[in-house]
Amino acid sequence: DSGVTQTPKHLITATGQRVTLRCSPRSGDLSVYWYQQSLDQGLQFLIHYYNGEERAKGNILERFSAQQFPDLHSELNLSSLELGDSALYFCASSVASGQRSTDTQYFGPGTRLTVL
Amino acid sequence: QKEVEQDPGPLSVPEGAIVSLNCTYSNSAFQYFMWYRQYSRKGPELLMYTYSSGNKEDGRFTAQVDKSSKYISLFIRDSQPSDSATYLCAIQGAQKLVFGQGTRLTINP
Repeated sequence: DSGVTQTPKHLITATGQRVTLRCSPRSGDLSVYWYQQSLDQGLQFLIHYYNGEERAKGNILERFSAQQFPDLHSELNLSSLELGDSALYFCASSVASGQRSTDTQYFGPGTRLTVL
Repeated sequence: QKEVEQDPGPLSVPEGAIVSLNCTYSNSAFQYFMWYRQYSRKGPELLMYTYSSGNKEDGRFTAQVDKSSKYISLFIRDSQPSDSATYLCAIQGAQKLVFGQGTRLTINP
């Protein structure tokens, strides 16, 4: 158990809908990262928050947004869902800002999103 | 061209075999290299990380980096069925980790 929690574990929804995925980092970790994992694209970095502020963006679609709250938990909002958004969404956390290699990222168990 | 290339496999070997997993990368500015292991239906977990060219050993696992060739490897000695998982290489870029596709490995008893 990494100490990172994600809810829900599974989510099934329809195209055009909006969902919110939630992540609680390990105690003491200030950074939260979101990743999308699909069979054809592998594990893709979406976005990074550090202590409430956005630090880096990856291949995140405009239909997706995220935020990190004062209690350091984070939410990833996915809207106008398409079939191709079906994937595993992982959250990871680390102690510091993520610029150093020793900022090990600890991954949560993921949320499996299925868009029908 | 992808920043990190990894053969997705699948790779199936008998128990006790030596396993070699490899990745190539394109950006010579990358300096930190990691291997993650991901069991089915779980999140990735950090297995090893290295900085410089050369070898780093941790039990049955050896990570190797050749910066001149932009090539990284993970060797597993005396492989066990419990090593069956997907192995992902990851490279620390600017503000983000860039992952390889992952290689699915099965160790057959």
